Amino acid sequence: DTAVSQTPKYLVTQMGNDKSIKCEQNLGHDTMYWYKQDSKKFLKIMFSYNNKELIINETVPNRFSPKSPDKAHLNLHINSLELGDSAVYFCASSQGSLDGRGYTFGSGTRLTIV
Amino acid sequence: DAKTTQPPSMDCAEGRAANLPCNHSTISGNEYVYWYRQIHSQGPQYIIHGLKNNETNEMASLIITEDRKSSTLILPHATLRDTAVYYCIVRGTGANSKLTFGKGITLSVRP
Repeated sequence: DTAVSQTPKYLVTQMGNDKSIKCEQNLGHDTMYWYKQDSKKFLKIMFSYNNKELIINETVPNRFSPKSPDKAHLNLHINSLELGDSAVYFCASSQGSLDGRGYTFGSGTRLTIV
Repeated sequence: DAKTTQPPSMDCAEGRAANLPCNHSTISGNEYVYWYRQIHSQGPQYIIHGLKNNETNEMASLIITEDRKSSTLILPHATLRDTAVYYCIVRGTGANSKLTFGKGITLSVRP
């Protein structure tokens, strides 16, 4: 049973398209995150949701719109994809946002823009 | 949250202890030291964390200096599967504190 699952695992699409990445966790956690890992391997937090409420929103272009229909799901929709959006996107979850020990990461979605 | 400094890479022989250093000279009193690792193409994995005292779990030991300005992660008997990027992260307990990853240290365990 995968604790944090992301779909799709790989996504290849053309510049200008709109795409979504889905994330689900079955850990009963109340906080979920999106991280982006670029080609230089830097892992950067993008968003954090607690009980469906946005609590962290880093400097991310507004082409990126997270949506949390319930506390077990956090989806990421990206409009007008650009070459620079190519990266691996990781979803994570935790119980509360104050304990860094409890972050459980998914296996990532590799997004390639052509 | 305070920043950390780690050497870019190190290696060790399989079966030997791997000692991974981290400097966090600007750490403040309520900030914890966390260690995560990322094995190739996988999501990061929690290893251990501590505030002041040394900590040990089934994966590793964490040694924090008395002034808390540096720490060392010890993998007592490194295996080939421990080859990964290891991240030392300092994080506070405030509501807006984040788990912020730096460049990490690439540990290569050789046979």
